[in-house]
Amino acid sequence: QVQLVQSGAEVTKPGSSVKVSCKASGGIFHRFDITWVRQAPGQGLEWMGGIIPVFGTTNFAQKFQGRLTITVDGSTSTAYMELNSLKSEDTAMYYCARASETYGRSFDFWGQGTLVTVSS
Amino acid sequence: QSALTQPPSASGSPGQSVTISCTGTSSDLGGYNSVSWYQQHPGKAPKLLIYEVTKRPSGVPDRFSGSKSGNTASLTVSGLQAEDEADYHCTSYAGNKGFVFGTGTKVTVL
Repeated sequence: QVQLVQSGAEVTKPGSSVKVSCKASGGIFHRFDITWVRQAPGQGLEWMGGIIPVFGTTNFAQKFQGRLTITVDGSTSTAYMELNSLKSEDTAMYYCARASETYGRSFDFWGQGTLVTVSS
Repeated sequence: QSALTQPPSASGSPGQSVTISCTGTSSDLGGYNSVSWYQQHPGKAPKLLIYEVTKRPSGVPDRFSGSKSGNTASLTVSGLQAEDEADYHCTSYAGNKGFVFGTGTKVTVL
């Protein structure tokens, strides 16, 4: 069974950066896209971007272009999401999710979420 | 890239049905049959309910069904149960723009 385990909560200041990890176990890590989704308090989900581990190619939502970096370390089956120039509006729960191998263009395994708080 | 539009809330009594809409554009929802729905209970990660507009993953009860017409997709929950009280999110593939999620709908079981 695939499991995605994310790093712990972060408290950061405006203007700084945050890096969240997502370690996969079970399944074949490099075969499936890893995507990052965030959820601001009381709001809906927001797709941020994704990576195809086997190629290292990334795709980002336009609003995060230039501020978001997604990488993978195949040796540890870990994906990383780094967001720069943080603002208070970036306070949110950040989730990693794996593209499904069975259910079309959907995400069937999710991490537990990492709360990032941006506050001065 | 704008979020797909969902009603903020929906409700029904146990045993009744509730339908949630999700409206996009021809560049996303209307252009692809890659619409998924997720259920999210408070403090939990989302769970896949429906994929490719109408299909249910293994283990999802057939009380959950999906459909699409033009730029609008819908999720229907039949025979509402107390455990169906949750937030529901739609999403659509949007080509080279990746994915777009809906604004989310809170379902209350009265």
